Amino acid sequence: KNQVEQSPQSLIILEGKNCTLQCNYTVSPFSNLRWYKQDTGRGPVSLTIMTFSENTKSNGRYTATLDADTKQSSLHITASQLSDSASYICVVSDHYGGSQGNLIFGKGTKLSVKP
Amino acid sequence: DVKVTQSSRYLVKRTGEKVFLECVQDMDHENMFWYRQDPGLGLRLIYFSYDVKMKEKGDIPEGYSVSREKKERFSLILESASTNQTSMYLCASSFLGGTGEETQYFGPGTRLLVL
Repeated sequence: KNQVEQSPQSLIILEGKNCTLQCNYTVSPFSNLRWYKQDTGRGPVSLTIMTFSENTKSNGRYTATLDADTKQSSLHITASQLSDSASYICVVSDHYGGSQGNLIFGKGTKLSVKP
Repeated sequence: DVKVTQSSRYLVKRTGEKVFLECVQDMDHENMFWYRQDPGLGLRLIYFSYDVKMKEKGDIPEGYSVSREKKERFSLILESASTNQTSMYLCASSFLGGTGEETQYFGPGTRLLVL
């Protein structure tokens, strides 16, 4: 069964610290993996998208890594800010090209950044 | 910038009422989606549409229907609202990029309470 598991479920860190969120998946075939940031009461916003041939991608202070062999991804946040407080959702697609219909969502990691 | 708008941010309805949730996107995207998001369950796909007048069931279509009469607009209909449909509803739209990757853009969400 295609699944996406995220850990930890929630995380509290101090402002200025770094943190890493994990995403493990059992999706096959694998097309791409995305990380979304969802602020409370808002819709998710895309941070990164990676295909199987990419093993790292950055978006400002956010760096996503992908190991397609072990089917693991991580999202590293550097020098955290209060505005980083949000839920981070990992989404894996099992569809090559064409129109989507096979996005598998993780349940998210809720990050709280404290001053 | 892509903009996906939803007709209401908050909605309170009574059991048995017919409920319409509207979603509009302004980027001429072919694909549109409706999700619901519940604590501990993450995002779950209700229905999606690849084109005008086309619709496909997602993972949890029961109790819902959709309408796509125009490309920019995708409506979610609760024929007879029930308390277990109290949830956050998220609309998304997407296009297929030149590399075959799809990017989804989410609306701000509608928080529906059914009494």
